[in-house]
Amino acid sequence: NAGVTQTPKFRVLKTGQSMTLLCAQDMNHEYMYWYRQDPGMGLRLIHYSVGEGTTAKGEVPDGYNVSRLKKQNFLLGLESAAPSQTSVYFCASSYTPTLGWGQETQYFGPGTRLLVL
Amino acid sequence: AQSVTQLDSHVSVSEGTPVLLRCNYSSSYSPSLFWYVQHPNKGLQLLLKYTSAATLVKGINGFEAEFKKSETSFHLTKPSAHMSDAAEYFCVVSRDDYKLSFGAGTTVTVRA
Repeated sequence: NAGVTQTPKFRVLKTGQSMTLLCAQDMNHEYMYWYRQDPGMGLRLIHYSVGEGTTAKGEVPDGYNVSRLKKQNFLLGLESAAPSQTSVYFCASSYTPTLGWGQETQYFGPGTRLLVL
Repeated sequence: AQSVTQLDSHVSVSEGTPVLLRCNYSSSYSPSLFWYVQHPNKGLQLLLKYTSAATLVKGINGFEAEFKKSETSFHLTKPSAHMSDAAEYFCVVSRDDYKLSFGAGTTVTVRA
C-alpha cells in the first residue's frame, strides 16, 4: 500500500516549456487535489476532482490544467511554464468529504519541487 | 468563510521542554480541524483531527490538541519535545464546501 505517490520528485523547466505532474493513489479515494506550497502561505488549492472524469477549479487555477481519466490518477499540466510557477506541488486524496465525520481527511504525497528559470 | 490563523511563525524549544503551537479558527459552526506536520523535504503527515467528538484529541508522537469553542482555538501541545519534532506544523480547518483551508505554518526548532 503505497498511499499517494508523485512523479517526478524534482524538475527544472525553462520559461515557456510544458510539463505534466503525475499523482497516483491506491486507497480507492474518490476525491483528489493539487496544491502548491509557497513560503509563508501554507498550501493553496489549484484544482481538484470529485471523481473519475470530473475536475474543478480551486483558489489558484490560472496557468494549470488537470485531468482525471482514471480514478487512481490525477494529472497536473503546465502548458507554458512561468517563473511564478516555481513552487512545491502536492497531491492529496480523500474519501467523500460530504459524508462528514472526518471523511474530509486528506492524505498527501511527498511533493514535486519545480523550478522555472 | 472558514479560516485559520497560526499565531507564531516560528517556535524554538529545548529538548525535553513542552511545545505549544497556537491556532485560532474562524467559523460559523463547529468545523473539523486538523494538525499536519511536514518534515524537511517531505510531504504532509496527519498528526490529529477533531471531528466534534471529544474536545481533547490525542495524535501521533505524543501530540495532543484541545478544541475550545468559546475561544475558537485548537492549540497543539506536547509535554516533552524531541529532536525529531523539528518540522513545520500546519493547522487546517474544513470549510463548508468541504475543502481544507491551511494556516501559514509554524516552524519548530528543537535545541539540544
